Amino acid sequence: EAGVTQFPSHSVIEKGQTVTLRCDPISGHDNLYWYRRVMGKEIKFLLHFVKESKQDESGMPNNRFLAERTGGTYSTLKVQPAELEDSGVYFCASSPGTNTGELFFGEGSRLTVL
Amino acid sequence: AQSVAQPEDQVNVAEGNPLTVKCTYSVSGNPYLFWYVQYPNRGLQFLLKYITGDNLVKGSYGFEAEFNKSQTSFHLKKPSALVSDSALYFCAVRDQNTGGFKTIFGAGTRLFVKA
Repeated sequence: EAGVTQFPSHSVIEKGQTVTLRCDPISGHDNLYWYRRVMGKEIKFLLHFVKESKQDESGMPNNRFLAERTGGTYSTLKVQPAELEDSGVYFCASSPGTNTGELFFGEGSRLTVL
Repeated sequence: AQSVAQPEDQVNVAEGNPLTVKCTYSVSGNPYLFWYVQYPNRGLQFLLKYITGDNLVKGSYGFEAEFNKSQTSFHLKKPSALVSDSALYFCAVRDQNTGGFKTIFGAGTRLFVKA
C-alpha cells in the first residue's frame, strides 16, 4: 500500500513568487492534515480536511495560504505571494475515520524563500 | 488550549544504557498522547499512543511510555538504547473533549546514541 506522498520534496523560490505543494494521502483516508515545521521549532498545525471539507483551518497563518482538496482525494497548499518567514518543511498527514488513531506522514516538502 | 513541552533539545546516551525522552502536556480535557520518530530525510513515523487503560504503553522498536496524569507527563523510555535509535522524537497530544482531530506536537528532542 502506498504511503502519503508529497511533491515537490524541495522548492527554492524568490520572495513574492508563488509555490504550490501537493499531497496525496493514503487511499481511503478521509482525514488530511497540513503541518509546518520551521527550523528547530514545533510542528505547527495548519489545517484539517475531512474529505473535501475544511474541518479546522485555525492554524493557517494568513490569507496568503490557500489549501484545497478537490474531490476529497489529493490536496494542494498554495502560498502566494511567498515571504521569507514561510520557509520551513511542510508536512502532510492522513488518517482514517476515528480520532483515536495515529497520523501517517509524508516525507515533507522543504520550502526555501530567498 | 493544547500544548506540548519537550524540555530537552538533545539527549545523549551510551549504547546499551536506558534512555528517557521527556514530555509534558497541557489540555483542558482528557488527552490522547502519541510519540513519533523522524529519521533523516523521512516523514514522521508513529511509535506508540496512550488512549485509555494501562498507564504503561508499549510500542515499536522496544519503546514504551508512561502516562502520568498527576504530572501531566508522557515520557518515552527504552531499557537498552541502540545506535540505530538515534533520531528526532516528537511528543504529541490530542484533546479528547475539545480538540477533535487536531494533534499538537512538541518541538522535538534529538536522541544521540553513542556506540
